[in-house]
Amino acid sequence: DAGVIQSPRHEVTEMGQEVTLRCKPISGHNSLFWYRQTMMRGLELLIYFNNNVPIDDSGMPEDRFSAKMPNASFSTLKIQPSEPRDSAVYFCASGWEGTGDRNEQFFGPGTRLTVL
Amino acid sequence: RKEVEQDPGPFNVPEGATVAFNCTYSNSASQSFFWYRQDCRKEPKLLMSVYSSGNEDGRFTAQLNRASQYISLLIRDSKLSDSATYLCVVRNQGGKLIFGQGTELSVKP
Repeated sequence: DAGVIQSPRHEVTEMGQEVTLRCKPISGHNSLFWYRQTMMRGLELLIYFNNNVPIDDSGMPEDRFSAKMPNASFSTLKIQPSEPRDSAVYFCASGWEGTGDRNEQFFGPGTRLTVL
Repeated sequence: RKEVEQDPGPFNVPEGATVAFNCTYSNSASQSFFWYRQDCRKEPKLLMSVYSSGNEDGRFTAQLNRASQYISLLIRDSKLSDSATYLCVVRNQGGKLIFGQGTELSVKP
């Protein structure tokens, strides 16, 4: 299995530009999570999907952030317009959510975003 | 107060040392508990789950005290390759994983 795939691995953009991050979860997993990691705030959950449906987006910082999961094998996180304080590593993770499971999450390699 | 709190370290220890990490959580309704490991500039990976009775995996021992809302990780005979950041993780009743800030470990020759 290829694991969780994220693209791009690195993104450098200018303030005000739109940024789209992509994720392909592990085949067979029914849950997908978007996290953001910074030195100051650590690892924070932004949003998660179960069976392609957004379950909890309370971690999405502002309306500038949006996420979609059009099918079981693809998700995007979009920032429009981007700001320098959005600079962080964005991780996508997938897992199997079910009764009695230990619910391990498998993380992708992350996208390192720098907004100038 | 953060929902999951850890000593950020860094812990600098010689090879072969025993090192212990502690973690406290604030939500008494938390359902399950984990330790994740994150290497520098890499993604977090599950190290081990933490069970109420305590559990061991080779050189690693995890313990949970629900009454005190306290989780620990003990590493015996530490290796250079154990150098990483160790994240205490709690799953709340809504199903979300809440990550601690992590404890940095550096094992020196």
